[in-house]
Parts: sequence; C-alpha cells; structure tokens
Amino acid sequence: SAVISQKPSRDICQRGTSLTIQCQVDSQVTMMFWYRQQPGQSLTLIATANQGSEATYESGFVIDKFPISRPNLTFSTLTVSNMSPEDSSIYLCSVELGARGNTEAFFGQGTRLTVV
Amino acid sequence: GENVEQHPSTLSVQEGDSAVIKCTYSDSASNYFPWYKQELGKRPQLIIDIRSNVGEKKDQRIAVTLNKTAKHFSLHITETQPEDSAVYFCAASITDYKLSFGAGTTVTVRA
Repeated sequence: SAVISQKPSRDICQRGTSLTIQCQVDSQVTMMFWYRQQPGQSLTLIATANQGSEATYESGFVIDKFPISRPNLTFSTLTVSNMSPEDSSIYLCSVELGARGNTEAFFGQGTRLTVV
Repeated sequence: GENVEQHPSTLSVQEGDSAVIKCTYSDSASNYFPWYKQELGKRPQLIIDIRSNVGEKKDQRIAVTLNKTAKHFSLHITETQPEDSAVYFCAASITDYKLSFGAGTTVTVRA
C-alpha cells in the first residue's frame, strides 16, 4: 500500500479566491489522479497528472479552473481557481501502485472544501 | 468512455443477512473491477477486486462475481455486521488506466 498525505484536510474559502491542495506520496508513482466528490455523490475524475508533462483533463474540467502541477514522482498539487459555492466538494488524490498489469488504486484522505 | 451503473442506491439489511450490489459497465475493453468501501468522512478503501481472467473471487465474507459476456459484476456480503454499514462504490477500468466509478450504494445494517 501507500501513505498518501493531502493538505489541507479541510478549508472554508471566500468565493472568487483560489485554493491549492497538496498531495504527497511516500513512493514514486508514474500517474497521480485528482477526483472530486460532491456531497452524497460518487467520485468524478478531474484529471490525470503525469510527471514531466501537462495534465490530461476529463470532459467538463479545464486547466484554467483546475491547474495541476506535478514537479516530481511523489508530489502533485491541484488548484481550485476563482471558486464559487458550486466548487464545494471533497477533492481526493489517488495513485496506482503495484506491478504493471496488477495495480491497485489508493486514495488520500481528501480535502473538504466549503466555498462561502 | 466507460459508463458504470450501480444498483441499488440504498440497501437496508438485517444483521446476519446477505447484501448484494450489482454493477454494469459499457466498455468491453475494461478488465479490472474494484470495489471500494467509504465510511462517513473517510477515504475510499479497496475491499476486493477482480480481473477479467476470473469469474469469481472471495475474501472471507466478501465475494465478487464477474460476467464479461453480460458486462456486469456484483458484490456479495454475507453474514452482515453493523460495521459493514457504509457507502460502497464499484468501478471499472482498463488495467493500469483511469477508474470509472458507479454512483454508490449506501448500505445500512440493522442490528
């Protein structure tokens, strides 16, 4: 398994501001994933972050709103920009570990964001 | 892309009874099907998974079955206990690729 640390664990932010969420993993991983989980809902993939290249965004998510950094193989950040109350969600980072063809996904503890 | 549907959305069972959650997927190329349990305020935790080269996998009180022809897979929990109360998510993916999640099932085990 992996130790995945996310910071902050929660925050309350004013609309129009931005928040950067950090994700640190205790081992080197090729891909890191950022998910959003709206209240009472399932997990929706925002983007896949690869080290050394731009993140790949899913339909409905854009780089200007959710810029991602991936400076090395153990760390990534997700920024939620120009926030509105609709951005209130739990944001989770995830990594896949294991031998190729036999990987498992593990999640950070999440960042609970409330926009007021 | 992959579309995963999950049923039921809520499930209430008597302690000791069995619980079954069913999922269907759309992409015939998907070959990895994990199940996650998420307790209130906590991260999703992998409880069992199955790959397309097997039809069934069991781990103590939990089992998963896979029907690739019909593109559906199911989670079975036997002898349910109060600590089994949580939200359960199924997911599907092509190996080593991104996961697509079902909508989740809230399981309540009545004592």
